[in-house]
Amino acid sequence: GESVGLHLPTLSVQEGDNSIINCAYSNSASDYFIWYKQESGKGPQFIIDIRSNMDKRQGQRVTVLLNKTVKHLSLQIAATQPGDSAVYFCAEMRTNFGNEKLTFGTGTRLTIIP
Amino acid sequence: ETGVTQTPRHLVMGMTNKKSLKCEQHLGHNAMYWYKQSAKKPLELMFVYNFKEQTENNSVPSRFSPECPNSSHLFLHLHTLQPEDSALYLCASSHAQAVMDYEQYFGPGTRLTVT
Repeated sequence: GESVGLHLPTLSVQEGDNSIINCAYSNSASDYFIWYKQESGKGPQFIIDIRSNMDKRQGQRVTVLLNKTVKHLSLQIAATQPGDSAVYFCAEMRTNFGNEKLTFGTGTRLTIIP
Repeated sequence: ETGVTQTPRHLVMGMTNKKSLKCEQHLGHNAMYWYKQSAKKPLELMFVYNFKEQTENNSVPSRFSPECPNSSHLFLHLHTLQPEDSALYLCASSHAQAVMDYEQYFGPGTRLTVT
């Protein structure tokens, strides 16, 4: 069956360092991927997305890499700040027009060490 | 603020109570969603509404009853819940699925405890 998983449940990074959060997906038909950030007491917040016709996309301090060959997705956060501490979720979708559903992973808790 | 509000933020209810969760979005979206978030589990999609019509019921027990009176409001009516229903219930909205913009905007959630 389909699944979206994260390699590590927790990750600690020194403030100012770069962090990489990984995600594996099993469905090769997935063509849209999205990263969310969830801070304590809040709902998930969009960070960045990528479609399967791309292998890299950059935002402000964040980069998402997609490797369709091994069905792997990663989120890189540059120069981490205390406000980056949160749980990060990847999600995948098969855009079958009219039946699009996001399937979420369990999340990685990122802790930024001052 | 994401433009999606949920009330109440916290709710404690007994198994024989009836309560409702409310979600409102101010983003002009036409699709709305209910998710359940339990500890150490992925977000579970419960219901999807497109243009006020329910398009997805992800095998949710009948003790959860959604209602979407218009594209801006979504309710989740609860009755005779079980302790295992305790979780964070998240509402989200997005453009209608015919529009190729798939980002979902989430509310802050309602933390539900069933005693």
